[in-house]
Amino acid sequence: RKEVEQDPGPFNVPEGATVAFNCTYSNSASQSFFWYRQDCRKEPKLLMSVYSSGNEDGRFTAQLNRASQYISLLIRDSKLSDSATYLCVVNDPTGGGNKLTFGTGTQLKVEL
Amino acid sequence: DAGVIQSPRHEVTEMGQEVTLRCKPISGHDYLFWYRQTMMRGLELLIYFNNNVPIDDSGMPEDRFSAKMPNASFSTLKIQPSEPRDSAVYFCASSPRDSYSGNTIYFGEGSWLTVV
Repeated sequence: RKEVEQDPGPFNVPEGATVAFNCTYSNSASQSFFWYRQDCRKEPKLLMSVYSSGNEDGRFTAQLNRASQYISLLIRDSKLSDSATYLCVVNDPTGGGNKLTFGTGTQLKVEL
Repeated sequence: DAGVIQSPRHEVTEMGQEVTLRCKPISGHDYLFWYRQTMMRGLELLIYFNNNVPIDDSGMPEDRFSAKMPNASFSTLKIQPSEPRDSAVYFCASSPRDSYSGNTIYFGEGSWLTVV
């Protein structure tokens, strides 16, 4: 089983739609969770951290379910500029916790 | 402020040649990471350093790969000899001291390597 699993997509959605991505992780000892965004031929950049209580940043909402080892990202009112690959990221608690394990990403295409 | 700087941005080399990728982390960051990204395997951590000392190199695929960090402002990732399956984007990233949280990891723009 992969350490971090995501549906690769692509998710093709019309502008204004709500879209949700899911991610599962295998290491129950992981403590930190994130969503990164990667544009085509660019480096990954942090989108948002994921907290146990759930957190929101504008149109983006992240949720964490530790019992199910499941992370989600909800994008409301999607924009053309949201088109990118979204990477689910989980810290590896071994080696001091500074290792981050990345999912292979979910591709989102927002269309007119 | 300058971000993580990598060079070369693009390299095409022949199988069997030595490849050296370079990275300058953000000044003041104590951690440096080398990642490799391919379509099939996504982003994989190869090795990371803390205060110039290699902490975990379990992701280095084989002896053909080596990484060094001679000082706080410079690191290299070397592949010798290179093989076509090494073709990938190699990212360097750095983060400051208290980097238990990923929101402090900053990636360079990557080095796009093609081995023919």
